[in-house]
Amino acid sequence: QKEVEQDPGPLSVPEGAIVSLNCTYSNSAFQYFMWYRQYSRKGPELLMYTYSSGNKEDGRFTAQVDKSSKYISLFIRDSQPSDSATYLCAMRRGMDSNYQLIWGAGTKLIIKP
Amino acid sequence: EADIYQTPRYLVIGTGKKITLECSQTMGHDKMYWYQQDPGMELHLIHYSYGVNSTEKGDLSSESTVSRIRTEHFPLTLESARPSHTSQYLCASSELGPGGADTQYFGPGTRLTVL
Repeated sequence: QKEVEQDPGPLSVPEGAIVSLNCTYSNSAFQYFMWYRQYSRKGPELLMYTYSSGNKEDGRFTAQVDKSSKYISLFIRDSQPSDSATYLCAMRRGMDSNYQLIWGAGTKLIIKP
Repeated sequence: EADIYQTPRYLVIGTGKKITLECSQTMGHDKMYWYQQDPGMELHLIHYSYGVNSTEKGDLSSESTVSRIRTEHFPLTLESARPSHTSQYLCASSELGPGGADTQYFGPGTRLTVL
């Protein structure tokens, strides 16, 4: 079983819809949770970063962590065609630099105009 | 936009050839990484480095080597390319910030095809 599970999609929604992207994980030691966005033929770029449980909001994006359920979410409000990309979750056990990021497979999101 | 560069962007090569994928960053980051990414699959860490003269193998077994002679440069070498090496190779660098934030900055990737 993979440490991080993410539905690969594709997820296709109309412009303006609220999008919910999710990851589940099995290792309760994970403390740092990230969402990266990857456009076609580009490297991933960091979108949101959360430590431990709770919500974090940045413009149209909200990251949510539920450590009791081992479940993280990324919500996109008022989705735009420019949000069409693959969204990867990543997580890490601790601040020690020996801990590496564990990645989800990514969910491909398509926003239809 | 992150200042991390990879060359070549695309490479088609025959089996058995030796190749080197280049990666350079101008941000002065100590930590650098090489990942392999297949379509629809997660990033797999091949090698990483914490600084000059430091290199470690990642989770993915790979017939490749890396070197870190200068902070800004982290090349990946395949001694004998095989069709199973066909993939996208991503280089990244990072710096641990306040509160444990660890942003990885990625290059555009090298798409390798081995015939």
